[in-house]
Amino acid sequence: GAGVSQSPRYKVAKRGQDVALRCDPISGHVSLFWYQQALGQGPEFLTYFQNEAQLDKSGLPSDRFFAERPEGSVSTLKIQRTQQEDSAVYLCASSTRLAGLLIRSYNEQFFGPGTRLTVL
Amino acid sequence: SQQGEEDPQALSIQEGENATMNCSYKTSINNLQWYRQNSGRGLVHLILIRSNEREKHSGRLRVTLDTSKKSSSLLITASRAADTASYFCATSPNRDDKIIFGKGTRLHILP
Repeated sequence: GAGVSQSPRYKVAKRGQDVALRCDPISGHVSLFWYQQALGQGPEFLTYFQNEAQLDKSGLPSDRFFAERPEGSVSTLKIQRTQQEDSAVYLCASSTRLAGLLIRSYNEQFFGPGTRLTVL
Repeated sequence: SQQGEEDPQALSIQEGENATMNCSYKTSINNLQWYRQNSGRGLVHLILIRSNEREKHSGRLRVTLDTSKKSSSLLITASRAADTASYFCATSPNRDDKIIFGKGTRLHILP
């Protein structure tokens, strides 16, 4: 497919369980972003990768959240010991922007469909 | 934390009418973007306006930006049922890559 894909689309976890959410960015996109969207709210930034380097993780809400992109393409967001407040839609986005070199004059991000996580 | 705040939170209008949504933000920006989100197509980028621009058009969309008031508006003309969605303004502070979204306006177009 040509767009960003995420899996699973829906995940139900018991409180305390670990989960892993996957993002496949658009092929060739250098930058990858994770956002968390609570019900009725706008997406909130979690973390950002440029290739395999995690350049910004200031939005991760706690040390239970961990993200990686080991080969600079697919990324995984892992949440350990899930809590009810982790219930949200997790969105992944990718863009072509390179640090210090603008392929485009703005940083258009292309979003995936999201993973809806429900923690019981 | 969320930078932008949309107004109104929810809006219902008749098909064919114009819809106006407003956004206020807090810090200096490089650009401001509007996104649409519905269950069918996820989050989609609509239009971007740079900090040195005051108005921009794209099809039935018109965006204005007033940096002195730190506010923006999105006008959708001749609304259609397919415009029913949530609309978010989003800012990119100082060429940072991350986007900071507002809480959104839920727009409902009545047949």
